[in-house]
Amino acid sequence: EAGVAQSPRYKIIEKRQSVAFWCNPISGHATLYWYQQILGQGPKLLIQFQNNGVVDDSQLPKDRFSAERLKGVDSTLKIQPAKLEDSAVYLCASSLDWRTEAFFGQGTRLTVV
Amino acid sequence: LAKTTQPISMDSYEGQEVNITCSHNNIATNDYITWYQQFPSQGPRFIIQGYKTKVTNEVASLFIPADRKSSTLSLPRVSLSDTAVYYCLVGDEAAGGTSYGKLTFGQGTILTVHP
Repeated sequence: EAGVAQSPRYKIIEKRQSVAFWCNPISGHATLYWYQQILGQGPKLLIQFQNNGVVDDSQLPKDRFSAERLKGVDSTLKIQPAKLEDSAVYLCASSLDWRTEAFFGQGTRLTVV
Repeated sequence: LAKTTQPISMDSYEGQEVNITCSHNNIATNDYITWYQQFPSQGPRFIIQGYKTKVTNEVASLFIPADRKSSTLSLPRVSLSDTAVYYCLVGDEAAGGTSYGKLTFGQGTILTVHP
């Protein structure tokens, strides 16, 4: 079974630039999560989708971060403009529904310089 | 919001049994307890989930006392490859009161297994 695919694996940008991350969840998984993990900390939930609807984005910095999940499948997370403190690993995860185990991708490591 | 407290780090040796305890005093009636493992440069991986008493699978056991205010992850006979960060999560209601089980990670426990 294919896992959660994320791209790119690494990205280096200058502050104030824009960046987008892509996630392809496991087929049939209704729930999709985006997490931000800063070095040395646990993952922090940014946004959770149930199919193509947002069920939680309380910790998403909406002035600069946006996310969408078209047709309830793939998802993109965008940062515009990026700040130095956005340097982190961005993890995507999916699950059959919110009650079942989540499967994580390998993440995208973002460095903002 | 249900919060969890775990030791920041633990050390063990190959072949020993390791028990990591997590406190979750405000756990709600419908909440499940879930443990994830994370290796460097990888996303977290599900280990085990339980509601009460004891759950066992091929890699770990989870012990939950009757009051459910804590839980203990037990790893039998650890090896060097078990060196990782272990997270305890408790099911949480999403904003707006909808029970969409937000996965909230804490700091986790850094387990180091020595030869």
